[in-house]
Amino acid sequence: AQSVTQLDSQVPVFEEAPVELRCNYSSSVSVYLFWYVQYPNQGLQLLLKYLSGSTLVKGINGFEAEFNKSQTSFHLRKPSVHISDTAEYFCAVSVAGAQKLVFGQGTRLTINP
Amino acid sequence: GAVVSQHPSWVICKSGTSVKIECRSLDFQATTMFWYRQFPKQSLMLMATSNEGSKATYEQGVEKDKFLINHASLTLSTLTVTSAHPEDSSFYICSARLGRGLAKNIQYFGAGTRLSVL
Repeated sequence: AQSVTQLDSQVPVFEEAPVELRCNYSSSVSVYLFWYVQYPNQGLQLLLKYLSGSTLVKGINGFEAEFNKSQTSFHLRKPSVHISDTAEYFCAVSVAGAQKLVFGQGTRLTINP
Repeated sequence: GAVVSQHPSWVICKSGTSVKIECRSLDFQATTMFWYRQFPKQSLMLMATSNEGSKATYEQGVEKDKFLINHASLTLSTLTVTSAHPEDSSFYICSARLGRGLAKNIQYFGAGTRLSVL
């Protein structure tokens, strides 16, 4: 069965600094990878996804992620963060042919002025 | 596109009563919808997978008779929490996915429902 590990439960960053949120997965078969963002008391919004093709994917709000098959990683990056990026970020994986999404434990990104 | 509407956003009920939560795909047909539960400061826990026109598939440990799921159309799934108790208080989130191609692997989420049982 697949699993997802988000290595950092909390990441504090100063405004306009770069940030990387780490995500590693385990699976013996082909996977699809996702990053979602959750603002307080709201549902999840899709930031970006890797389904096929280029391993560098760009999403909304200036975020991007790179799928690294050899390292089984899908780290999320943003070159310059804003206060409004303060939220919980979830990495998720699904296996080809399966319906379910498996989520990581989430990373709380806090942007300090 | 791919908007999922969830209603209500917040509900307070008395212990022993039942509560129905609706999940609608507004601009697409969702052959599959999912129901999750989220505890404070935790990740999402999948409760059940709902396929249109068939019985829901529940995850291990989720009580089928407590959490009734109906997916009667391609745009609507409902979760009914029957005889709710304070321990059922939580944040419930639904998601829906398109039925074709690679896009079927993408889940779009509703805004969630906060249930408080007194």
